[in-house]
Amino acid sequence: LAKTTQPISMDSYEGQEVNITCSHNNIATNDYITWYQQFPSQGPRFIIQGYKTKVTNEVASLFIPADRKSSTLSLPRVSLSDTAVYYCLVGLIGSWGKLQFGAGTQVVVTP
Amino acid sequence: EPEVTQTPSHQVTQMGQEVILRCVPISNHLYFYWYRQILGQKVEFLVSFYNNEISEKSEIFDDQFSVERPDGSNFTLKIRSTKLEDSAMYFCASSQREENYEQYFGPGTRLTVT
Repeated sequence: LAKTTQPISMDSYEGQEVNITCSHNNIATNDYITWYQQFPSQGPRFIIQGYKTKVTNEVASLFIPADRKSSTLSLPRVSLSDTAVYYCLVGLIGSWGKLQFGAGTQVVVTP
Repeated sequence: EPEVTQTPSHQVTQMGQEVILRCVPISNHLYFYWYRQILGQKVEFLVSFYNNEISEKSEIFDDQFSVERPDGSNFTLKIRSTKLEDSAMYFCASSQREENYEQYFGPGTRLTVT
């Protein structure tokens, strides 16, 4: 899996948009970008996955520039319940098996 | 929505004892995994399992550990001769397809070794 770099922590207020950028300079042609969320004392939860441009679902949006060396997870109008650790993972689709989590980004949302 | 379940939620054991952590993956999933997370640290892969065989294991998963799918629904992790450093949250996960990007995690079992 490609090495990823993301901020250790981010603070936000309720109602704001939170953008977490992940750097993956060594991403390979066949690699996909995946984001997971982990609430305290719970297992990680898949949020979103993409290859290029923009992907949006009911939870978040994922923006991937043309060079794919970085990606940005966007959480619109966060609430207190969005306080969690967010992980960026980059890997080859179809190479099922282990997920390699980094330290992630701790997002803290306050009133 | 189907969920991965794990029992017990919390297990306390004495050093040297054996523990079995249990998981019920989502019923139509074929790929199963165990991960652990030591308090304050990152989630670490232990083992993946498919077609009643270990597919991949990490360096953490040594002879102290074993996995089994004893029937059509349960997936277990056995830790023999537990050590203090085995204290961690253990997560079971499962996935339906060969693609690895979407795994469904259980709520975890907190193992405390005293």
